[in-house]
Amino acid sequence: DADVTQTPRNRITKTGKRIMLECSQTKGHDRMYWYRQDPGLGLQLIYYSFDVKDINKGEISDGYSVSRQAQAKFSLSLESAIPNQTALYFCATSDSGEPTGGTGELFFGEGSRLTVL
Amino acid sequence: AQSVTQLDSHVSVSEGTPVLLRCNYSSSYSPSLFWYVQHPNKGLQLLLKYTSAATLVKGINGFEAEFKKSETSFHLTKPSAHMSDAAEYFCVVTPFSGYSTLTFGKGTMLLVSP
Repeated sequence: DADVTQTPRNRITKTGKRIMLECSQTKGHDRMYWYRQDPGLGLQLIYYSFDVKDINKGEISDGYSVSRQAQAKFSLSLESAIPNQTALYFCATSDSGEPTGGTGELFFGEGSRLTVL
Repeated sequence: AQSVTQLDSHVSVSEGTPVLLRCNYSSSYSPSLFWYVQHPNKGLQLLLKYTSAATLVKGINGFEAEFKKSETSFHLTKPSAHMSDAAEYFCVVTPFSGYSTLTFGKGTMLLVSP
């Protein structure tokens, strides 16, 4: 089984619909992230969470919300989807980096491709 | 503040020739630097990382990168390209302290021809 699992892997929806993308991890990491990937733009951070009670906006949080239901679960919601939210979405996890003896390396899910018509 | 610039959006090489993917960074703090690879329709996988130890870092699949503080660069190299190296590569920076998020470059697509 994958360490970071995203569902659904593909979704086509219509403008104005509410969409939830779910992410679960078995790495035991405290930190979880949602990224959006568009061709030529790299990965842009939408939201991140450094622990269950910590939620932070990233570079492009407008139009998105998140919920950290447990250490292992972090979901991304689009309350009213619009066509320019068509993209590939990645969930990732990491430990807390060098200060805690970790690496800070990100572990990614396989991605969720969302198309908004 | 931190940022990453990948100097080439596309790099084309022939199989068996050297690969050079260029990355420059800026960071207000001592950085940790990473290279990730993304094959088509896949998630991202760590190639290698620099975290203040040896400046020449060896990664998987024969890749390596050298941290040059004076040039604020972290270029990725491989002596001999293989067809399976065709993918998109991302340079990533984060403060060594760990108390921040990672910043991605826009990516370099590596094309390998027979």
